[in-house]
Amino acid sequence: NAGVTQTPKFQVLKTGQSMTLQCAQDMNHNSMYWYRQDPGMGLRLIYYSASEGTTDKGEVPNGYNVSRLNKREFSLRLESAAPSQTSVYFCASSENINEQFFGPGTRLTVL
Amino acid sequence: KQEVTQIPAALSVPEGENLVLNCSFTDSAIYNLQWFRQDPGKGLTSLLLIQSSQREQTSGRLNASLDKSSGRSTLYIAASQPGDSATYLCAVGEELQGGSEKLVFGKGTKLTVNP
Repeated sequence: NAGVTQTPKFQVLKTGQSMTLQCAQDMNHNSMYWYRQDPGMGLRLIYYSASEGTTDKGEVPNGYNVSRLNKREFSLRLESAAPSQTSVYFCASSENINEQFFGPGTRLTVL
Repeated sequence: KQEVTQIPAALSVPEGENLVLNCSFTDSAIYNLQWFRQDPGKGLTSLLLIQSSQREQTSGRLNASLDKSSGRSTLYIAASQPGDSATYLCAVGEELQGGSEKLVFGKGTKLTVNP
């Protein structure tokens, strides 16, 4: 039982490049989330998916897109990376309004 | 807009001491409150979840309380150990569309327990 897994663990991009962050959970949870963590800011919600087939914007969605591929997987895409997107990205899942479980994070640097 | 504040930002204590971490929030319309632990360069580990109808939760040496009306929560750690050294995050759950909730996080308290 791996919980929430994320790939890659680390990534360095140049400005303008694109990439997709992958997230999968094996707890059969309906809801999945993407947060970013920046120094001095706390974690902030980027996008979420309340159930398979639905996605909605969170607090800081600009510059990102998401796909809920199936119940297990929720990906985050940066179409044209900017230095302001340098951050640590966390995926989380929960069974509706309940305890959220987090993945190990992806540390992204945009040069 | 919900704001979550954690005091102190950093705390250093000798091993064996009992300690309290504080969390306050501005809007009492929350679903629940969750305490996490984060080790350097790692993800978040859920410690305790308190539903809005509950007053406290306990797990081992940890006890978390919730007072919704005053917008406060405390995390009590008994008999602290060097292995407790980490950053502790408080997060309140707010309703989202579709039956999900968004966690609003504080900036954390960095705890150091000295041998």
